[in-house]
Amino acid sequence: GNSVTQMEGPVTLSEEAFLTINCTYTATGYPSLFWYVQYPGEGLQLLLKATKADDKGSNKGFEATYRKETTSFHLEKGSVQVSDSAVYFCALSDPPRGQNFVFGPGTRLSVLP
Amino acid sequence: DTAVSQTPKYLVTQMGNDKSIKCEQNLGHDTMYWYKQDSKKFLKIMFSYNNKELIINETVPNRFSPKSPDKAHLNLHINSLELGDSAVYFCASSHGQNYGYTFGSGTRLTVV
Repeated sequence: GNSVTQMEGPVTLSEEAFLTINCTYTATGYPSLFWYVQYPGEGLQLLLKATKADDKGSNKGFEATYRKETTSFHLEKGSVQVSDSAVYFCALSDPPRGQNFVFGPGTRLSVLP
Repeated sequence: DTAVSQTPKYLVTQMGNDKSIKCEQNLGHDTMYWYKQDSKKFLKIMFSYNNKELIINETVPNRFSPKSPDKAHLNLHINSLELGDSAVYFCASSHGQNYGYTFGSGTRLTVV
């Protein structure tokens, strides 16, 4: 079945540091890929998405590129802020094969001032 | 506001009780879901309804029963609550899976 693997956290960075959170997936078809963010005490919010190979999703300074050859969708941000501290979830959806959303285990990011 | 709203936000109850969590979406989405998030933040799907019909029913105890009176509502009823049911429960909805999900803000259930 389909699956999503993320780098283990927690990830702790200083403000203005460069962020990478790795995400790789296993899928039998051509899934859509997503990053969700969960701020403390809140629900998950869609951060960005990409629906086909080589697409780049971007939002709020974050970006991720759908790499079919490496089955990856790594999340990056050039300069993190304290307000980016949250848990980040990578996810995939493969509807034509009846696969529901599959979420990764989440990566906690803490940004220190 | 257009959103997915869940009530209550917090629920503390004793073992053995029966409780319900309500979810409503005004986004016009066809599909609604219930997820359970454990203390390690791992998300596990429980149920999915499309136009009031159950389409996903993962392996959860039959003490959990979803009810969808219409496609804008998906409630979760839990009988005979156990300590292990303590978690955050999220409702979500989607127009189609390529569009992603919209999540509610969660219900933190604590069973004592």
